[in-house]
Amino acid sequence: TQLLEQSPQFLSIQEGENLTVYCNSSSVFSSLQWYRQEPGEGPVLLVTVVTGGEVKKLKRLTFQFGDARKDSSLHITAAQPGDTGLYLCAGARGTSYGKLTFGQGTILTVHP
Amino acid sequence: GAVVSQHPSRVICKSGTSVKIECRSLDFQATTMFWYRQFPKQSLMLMATSNEGSKATYEQGVEKDKFLINHASLTLSTLTVTSAHPEDSSFYICSARDGFGDIGTDTQYFGPGTRLTVL
Repeated sequence: TQLLEQSPQFLSIQEGENLTVYCNSSSVFSSLQWYRQEPGEGPVLLVTVVTGGEVKKLKRLTFQFGDARKDSSLHITAAQPGDTGLYLCAGARGTSYGKLTFGQGTILTVHP
Repeated sequence: GAVVSQHPSRVICKSGTSVKIECRSLDFQATTMFWYRQFPKQSLMLMATSNEGSKATYEQGVEKDKFLINHASLTLSTLTVTSAHPEDSSFYICSARDGFGDIGTDTQYFGPGTRLTVL
């Protein structure tokens, strides 16, 4: 059973377009993290959201944690080819001693 | 940010041999380290959780005798793939947990991964 449903799995867009990636769950998470991974490398942490309803911005990236802490979204404004990569959401639960539950991932390709 | 290293970055071995992968936290002590496996264009699959000085906790379906984990210190964990076969070929990634459970400050930092190819 996949506890974190991430969508879409593939996204191919033109430079300058906006996009949103979603992570949804029926479970409550104490925190949710977003990572970006490039081929042949490990995931790099982009942001951690902790509070229900929290919104964090990182340049052109906006992250939101749902009020009930069951879902999250990543919005990219004016995507650039350098944004290309695999985006992963991962949730932590209070009793999991740091273990993360990962979504399926979203492969984003931004064409120049 | 905190740095986690993995060695080797890539390894090619013959079927039947054993391969050891090291994971080190370079500038912090990791209370817990995790080992993941990743197939091309897919998400990370947790294999096991490793705590210093105790036995690793393996996820369902992961053979503990096949994937030996040793966590000798707060900065080093090793994964040994024993009697490797072609189906073990994959990208193996470790992460180290920095923090003691405080929400928002408990962060996992990932290593760069090890590409294992078994011929």
